[in-house]
Amino acid sequence: GDSVTQMEGPVTLSEEAFLTINCTYTATGYPSLFWYVQYPGEGLQLLLKATKADDKGSNKGFEATYRKETTSFHLEKGSVQVSDSAVYFCALTRWQGGKLIFGQGTELSVKP
Amino acid sequence: EAGVTQFPSHSVIEKGQTVTLRCDPISGHDNLYWYRRVMGKEIKFLLHFVKESKQDESGMPNNRFLAERTGGTYSTLKVQPAELEDSGVYFCASSQDLSTGVHEQYFGPGTRLTVT
Repeated sequence: GDSVTQMEGPVTLSEEAFLTINCTYTATGYPSLFWYVQYPGEGLQLLLKATKADDKGSNKGFEATYRKETTSFHLEKGSVQVSDSAVYFCALTRWQGGKLIFGQGTELSVKP
Repeated sequence: EAGVTQFPSHSVIEKGQTVTLRCDPISGHDNLYWYRRVMGKEIKFLLHFVKESKQDESGMPNNRFLAERTGGTYSTLKVQPAELEDSGVYFCASSQDLSTGVHEQYFGPGTRLTVT
């Protein structure tokens, strides 16, 4: 069945460091891919998405490119801030409006 | 516009007891989803309502779980009787009618269920 695998956390970085959180997926066809973020005490928020191969999703300085050939959707940010500390979830859906399939989440802690 | 709300935020019950979780979706959203995250693992899909009908309930773990969405508005998820492995965070999400072309799922803050 469909699945999503993320790098394990927690990830601890210093402010202004470069961030990469790896995400790979297994799915037939062309799923849509997402990154969700959960800040402490809050619900999940959509961070960015990509709906077809080679699309790049971007938001708040974060970017991820849909790579069909490597079945990956790695999250990157050039310079993290303390306020980026959160849990990040990679997810896919096979069709619009369908269920989301999530990875296990990666906790990011950014120190001043 | 109010977001997705869930009640309670935290529930602690003993094994064998019953708990009912409630979700109020964003007004006008036809689609309502329930998900669960157990012990820091991945968030897993439980079921999907379109209005008051169950579109997909393939993720419901067993018949101790009962979900309803009366009148196509709020939804409840009842666990009866609760077992230790039911502990986790239960998330609700909603999205608009698919015909609008907007499919983003908006999530609530979750209900943390602890079964002792």
